[in-house]
Amino acid sequence: DVKVTQSSRYLVKRTGEKVFLECVQDMDHENMFWYRQDPGLGLRLIYFSYDVKMKEKGDIPEGYSVSREKKERFSLILESASTNQTSMYLCASSSQSDRGEETQYFGPGTRLLVL
Amino acid sequence: GQSLEQPSEVTAVEGAIVQINCTYQTSGFYGLSWYQQHDGGAPTFLSYNALDGLEETGRFSSFLSRSDSYGYLLLQELQMKDSASYFCAVPGGGNKLTFGTGTQLKVEL
Repeated sequence: DVKVTQSSRYLVKRTGEKVFLECVQDMDHENMFWYRQDPGLGLRLIYFSYDVKMKEKGDIPEGYSVSREKKERFSLILESASTNQTSMYLCASSSQSDRGEETQYFGPGTRLLVL
Repeated sequence: GQSLEQPSEVTAVEGAIVQINCTYQTSGFYGLSWYQQHDGGAPTFLSYNALDGLEETGRFSSFLSRSDSYGYLLLQELQMKDSASYFCAVPGGGNKLTFGTGTQLKVEL
């Protein structure tokens, strides 16, 4: 079974703190993604990476950065946390099936509260 | 850009059939996926349609009409455990997906 793990299920931080969210996958997937999920807004893509040291901005990259030093690990960084970054953060990795579709496998999520 | 529309909430009774619709606008189309997410859980892949028609996987089926930019997820013999949020998604190029805002399905006794 594909396994995507995230470093914390719940996190409480203060405004202005630097926050690191870690994600590890064990299936040797090339692609990894960070989303945030907010009620009524669905999943919004923050950043993604298709290879080590490669990154691409998603739909809402402002206030975030990422790091992919190893294939299995993709980190999301909040340089200076703000209250509007309180959210559920979901990491995913993906593979392409024989039919050509990209199936994404998600981690359990990190619920971040910024006070 | 890409956008997807789904109803925000659907309610049905146990044993019934329910259909969750999704309309999309994309610059290029490569297929429509569906994901399920239980409260507090991670989204999990359900199905994928690249071509028009119905794909069946057990109690769940997914339909696509590319000419209408429309698809739906059909759940039969509803069970309480089917209560969850369901998201449609389309590839956005570069191996990324754009998700709809999700439909919360409530199954009642």
